[in-house]
Amino acid sequence: GAGVSQSPSNKVTEKGKDVELRCDPISGHTALYWYRQSLGQGLEFLIYFQGNSAPDKSGLPSDRFSAERTGGSVSTLTIQRTQQEDSAVYLCASSSGVSYTDTQYFGPGTRLTVL
Amino acid sequence: GENVEQHPSTLSVQEGDSAVIKCTYSDSASNYFPWYKQELGKGPQLIIDIRSNVGEKKDQRIAVTLNKTAKHFSLHITETQPEDSAVYFCAAGPDTGRRALTFGSGTRLQVQP
Repeated sequence: GAGVSQSPSNKVTEKGKDVELRCDPISGHTALYWYRQSLGQGLEFLIYFQGNSAPDKSGLPSDRFSAERTGGSVSTLTIQRTQQEDSAVYLCASSSGVSYTDTQYFGPGTRLTVL
Repeated sequence: GENVEQHPSTLSVQEGDSAVIKCTYSDSASNYFPWYKQELGKGPQLIIDIRSNVGEKKDQRIAVTLNKTAKHFSLHITETQPEDSAVYFCAAGPDTGRRALTFGSGTRLQVQP
């Protein structure tokens, strides 16, 4: 079946511009995560959605970052007024369970480059 | 919060040899420890995980060991093959609630044919 998809695969933007990154989770998965992977680093948790519950935004690095999930499916991560330090690969994952220890299925990521 | 350290950052082995990657964690409340494999251009994929009530878990050529007293856990790959070449990440976290996993910085494994 179809896995987690993300778009675009690559995004180059200028400093100060806003960007939107999209994630399509596996159909039926109630949990959705966003992570950031900087060069040579591990995955940094950003935000977690579970069903209709309020999202866990504890990992968002600043108020320039926001995310929404419409209809319990597709999610969009928005970065406003991008900075060069925002350059990274942004990964989305989905899971069928209610705990983050349930297997997370990752998408291929969006590579963001801020010039 | 949790802090996970992973070593080595790069590892090169000959095909058929064993590979060992080690991680330490700081939060004694952590009791779930997954390992992910990330191939070039793809997202990470869960390969094995272990919970604190178990000291060792095996799945074919892959095994994970956990020492909760010392707060470290390791990934062991035996009879390595070129297709094992990838970046491997460890992670740690409590297995209840909605707290997020904390990931190590990754190990790039290269298996030389």
